[in-house]
Amino acid sequence: EAGVTQSPTHLIKTRGQQATLRCSPISGHTSVYWYQQALGLGLQFLLWYDEGEERNRGNFPPRFSGRQFPNYSSELNVNALELEDSALYLCASSLVVVGSGANVLTFGAGSRLTVL
Amino acid sequence: GQNIDQPTEMTATEGAIVQINCTYQTSGFNGLFWYQQHAGEAPTFLSYNVLDGLEEKGRFSSFLSRSKGYSYLLLKELQMKDSASYLCAVNTGFQKLVFGTGTRLLVSP
Repeated sequence: EAGVTQSPTHLIKTRGQQATLRCSPISGHTSVYWYQQALGLGLQFLLWYDEGEERNRGNFPPRFSGRQFPNYSSELNVNALELEDSALYLCASSLVVVGSGANVLTFGAGSRLTVL
Repeated sequence: GQNIDQPTEMTATEGAIVQINCTYQTSGFNGLFWYQQHAGEAPTFLSYNVLDGLEEKGRFSSFLSRSKGYSYLLLKELQMKDSASYLCAVNTGFQKLVFGTGTRLLVSP
């Protein structure tokens, strides 16, 4: 079974540009999550999508946005890039079980974004 | 606010037992996760505790005390491949995980 796949593996942009990161969840998983892992910091929650809808959002500015497609894959867009956006962006997927307290996330290996 | 504390780094010897502690203060609590992350790789799920007590899974065990805001991950019979970062994370609701900065464990021969 294929795991969570992310592309690109590495991306280099300059300040002010836009970055688009992509994620394909495990087959059968309907939820996709995005996390930012900056150097020296813990993973920071960005977004949760389920069935094409944004369900929850972390404390990030609106220039961080995304969407989930009908095939459950997802895209994260970061506009007006700033130097501090340089980080590893991790995507995860899970099943959503009604009544479940918490979902177990399966992570991808991440996309490393460098902003110069 | 949300605060998850865990030691930055620990060292241990192959075959030994190591305990990685995690304390948390969060606005909500819907369970605590431990993930393992090898350098350059994806975090992988180790354990989940939502009720107080010990959960055992092979060489790995995880303990939770909700009243103390405390958890630990116990690794027995350490192997070289256990050298990795161990991430403590609290589900604070609506599937949001708040992570600590991780504990880097170095296992030496």
